[in-house]
Amino acid sequence: EVQLVESGGALVQPGGSLRLSCAASGFTFNTYWMHWVRQAPGKGLEWVANIKQDGSVKFYVDSVKGRFTISRDNAKNSLYLQMNSLRAEDTAVYYCARALGSGDGFWGQGTLVTVSS
Amino acid sequence: QSVLTQPPSASGAPGQRVTISCSGSSSNIGSNAVFWYHHLPGTAPKLLLYSHNQRPSGVPDRFSGSKSGTSASLAISGLQSEDEADYYCVAWDDSLNGYVFGTGTKVSVL
Repeated sequence: EVQLVESGGALVQPGGSLRLSCAASGFTFNTYWMHWVRQAPGKGLEWVANIKQDGSVKFYVDSVKGRFTISRDNAKNSLYLQMNSLRAEDTAVYYCARALGSGDGFWGQGTLVTVSS
Repeated sequence: QSVLTQPPSASGAPGQRVTISCSGSSSNIGSNAVFWYHHLPGTAPKLLLYSHNQRPSGVPDRFSGSKSGTSASLAISGLQSEDEADYYCVAWDDSLNGYVFGTGTKVSVL
């Protein structure tokens, strides 16, 4: 059974840092692009970043460039999102997703990040 | 940054057909595949259609899609109460070098 399980969400102060993790199982992790997508309270879905199978290519939405870093560890079947200089507008449920741009798209249940003082 | 525009809501009686539009530009829908996702708040979004009109296994043929130029659409026929959810289109944008989601459409079954 395919599973993506996010963790690491928490309440953090503005300017703080947080590292999200996504544990993958049930499929060959190192053959898929992986993504982070978020949904702010009462808002729609927003793509955040993605990373190629071998980690050599990464893309980010403009609003997180220079602050967030996506990475993966294929040996551990894990995806990460390092979030620095967090802002109130980064408050959202963060989803880990497999292969957003293919017929194999699959998402986790999400983890909540709240940025507030 | 939602650069794909969808109507905020759509509704129909059980058994009816509803259509949701997704309007983009030449850098996204005009040159790349469109995907549709079904989302119930608090749960994992689920892939409904890929490459404009292909259904993953398990998705009923009540769901269909099309694309023309810089717009795409999702049609739900034989509307059922379980279809009440938020629906999003998404496509790669060549100018932004990133994926862009639609603004989302909430479907209600009357």
